[in-house]
Amino acid sequence: QVQLEESGPGLMQPSETLSLTCTVSGFSLTINGVGWVRQPLGKGLVWMGTIWAGGSTNYNSAVQSRLSISRDTSKSQVFLKMNSLQPEDTGTYYCARHVRYTYYGYNSDYFDYWGQGVMVTVSS
Amino acid sequence: DIRMTQSPASLSASLGETVNIECLASEDIYSDLAWYQQKPGKSPQLLIYNANSLQNGVPSRFSGSGSGTQYSLKINSLQSEDVATYFCQQYNNYPLTFGSGTKLEIK
Repeated sequence: QVQLEESGPGLMQPSETLSLTCTVSGFSLTINGVGWVRQPLGKGLVWMGTIWAGGSTNYNSAVQSRLSISRDTSKSQVFLKMNSLQPEDTGTYYCARHVRYTYYGYNSDYFDYWGQGVMVTVSS
Repeated sequence: DIRMTQSPASLSASLGETVNIECLASEDIYSDLAWYQQKPGKSPQLLIYNANSLQNGVPSRFSGSGSGTQYSLKINSLQSEDVATYFCQQYNNYPLTFGSGTKLEIK
């Protein structure tokens, strides 16, 4: 079955670089995209970026200058790196399988499976 | 960016009731809309895509409707396991954006 699992440090200092790993199973990174979504504590969801099956990426312009998403298909892993962390980057980070296709003129572009999330706190 | 406004922010209903959650887009999103359910302490789960298509495995008491800028999620015969926060997400234009959520509780 499809599974995603995030891992990474829970506590970061301001100005540091965050590195998270999403390990997937049950599907291939060369067939499906994987996106990262952040959720500040008690708040809503923010799409950060996606790496597509072909290896290209899309980023939210709000974090684009600080964010990099990459992958290792042989290990079924997707990586998020975000530099210059600030306290407002605190939250739960999810990776999710990103479905995107067009069928009879209808677009589909959503997240059908999610990891359990990893909580990241940025504090001095 | 397309802004998604959800209402109400919170909702309390009785078991067996029907509830409606609204999502208003800041511009026409041509039914490019998904709904997610996030139970307390859990990750979001996809309920609806293309505004009205039910994701596999989701109970039929959930349904979606709408067009243009106005969309709604309907839950029939409310059950205790429906306690959650519900989010809409537009995918008509990037960046993908979500509503701020509607927290559903049981009276």
